[in-house]
Parts: sequence; C-alpha cells; structure tokens
Amino acid sequence: DAKTTQPPSMDCAEGRAANLPCNHSTISGNEYVYWYRQIHSQGPQYIIHGLKNNETNEMASLIITEDRKSSTLILPHATLRDTAVYYCIVRATGANSKLTFGKGITLSVRP
Amino acid sequence: SAVISQKPSRDICQRGTSLTIQCQVDSQVTMMFWYRQQPGQSLTLIATANQGSEATYESGFVIDKFPISRPNLTFSTLTVSNMSPEDSSIYLCSARNTGASTDTQYFGPGTRLTVL
Repeated sequence: DAKTTQPPSMDCAEGRAANLPCNHSTISGNEYVYWYRQIHSQGPQYIIHGLKNNETNEMASLIITEDRKSSTLILPHATLRDTAVYYCIVRATGANSKLTFGKGITLSVRP
Repeated sequence: SAVISQKPSRDICQRGTSLTIQCQVDSQVTMMFWYRQQPGQSLTLIATANQGSEATYESGFVIDKFPISRPNLTFSTLTVSNMSPEDSSIYLCSARNTGASTDTQYFGPGTRLTVL
C-alpha cells in the first residue's frame, strides 16, 4: 500500500475550522484515501473516504487534489471533543488490501 | 456500519499466562482483523482472521504466540499466549465487508492488556 505523510501535530481554536493535510504522492489509481481518528483510549473511528472527488458527510469534508497526491480533511467547526490523533491512510478496495496505520497527526483543539 | 464489541475491555495478567480476547460483530462480515497498539504507538496489524481456515499472520507475528479463531462470520478470538510484560498493549478487533460499495473498515473499542 502507498504511504502517507502527515505533520506530527497541529492545533486550532474551538469553533474554528481545522484543516489537516496529508501527502500521498505515490497513490495508485485504485487506492482510496481514508481518514480515521482515535480519541484517547478508544478504538479508531472512521471519518470519511474518497477516490478523486471531494466528499462531505456529517463529520467532515475531504478535499483531494486533482493529481490525487495530497488531500485535506476539514473539520468545519472544531470542538474540544475533536482532540484526537487523525490518520490518513490510502487503501485499495478488495480482500487483499490492508489498512496500514502511520503515526497520524495529533490535533489539539484549544478553548 | 458494523458495531464491534470486545471482551474483556481490560485485564491485568501475570507473566506466563494466556488471555483470550473475544470480538463480536453485530452483522456478518467478510473480513475480520486483529491489531496491536503498543503504548504511545500506532496500530500494527497482527493477522487477518479467516473463517474456516487458519489466520494469515503479518511479519513478526506467529500462530503459537497469537492463536486466532473465527468460527463464523460474526465472531473471532485472539489469544495472547505465554505473556510477558512486552505484550502489554491495546488489542483491537476490526471488520469490513469486501464487495460492498464502500468497503469501509470498522474497529472495536479495544482490550487494554497489562502484563505484570
């Protein structure tokens, strides 16, 4: 599976948008971009995924560049409960693909 | 989405003993996985639990240390055998359906294991 690169940490103010970047320059054409987050002492929580189009759900928006080499997860109005480690992962669909976690980015939302 | 539960949620064990962790999914799933998260680290895939056949282990993990069962499409167990303090970790069960339109993978809450 292709690897991703994320900054180790970032912070944002409560109520503001949190924009979490991810580089995946070696992504293959059949690989999706997935985002998960892990709040302290909990299992990873699925947030969103996309192939090439931008995606939005009740949790976040995912913006994927046209060349698909990078993406940004946007939490439109961050709250203190959004403080977590966010993982950007690329994975193809199908039985032989695996979800491989990197170090992720630690987002700290400050009051 | 799949809802995944694990038992126990945490345990403290003595070295040399074994612990079996149970994972239950609220619906039938094609694939189930076991991950380990050592203190302060990211998740590492231990193995894929295959229904009706032996699990597929990742490099660095062996069946004698981490035997896995998957008797049906909703349940799996992971045993941590002959434990040492180095096995102190969070063990996470995960599941997904291949062939579904989203093929999204979900995770259980984890089992926090401390080995003394």
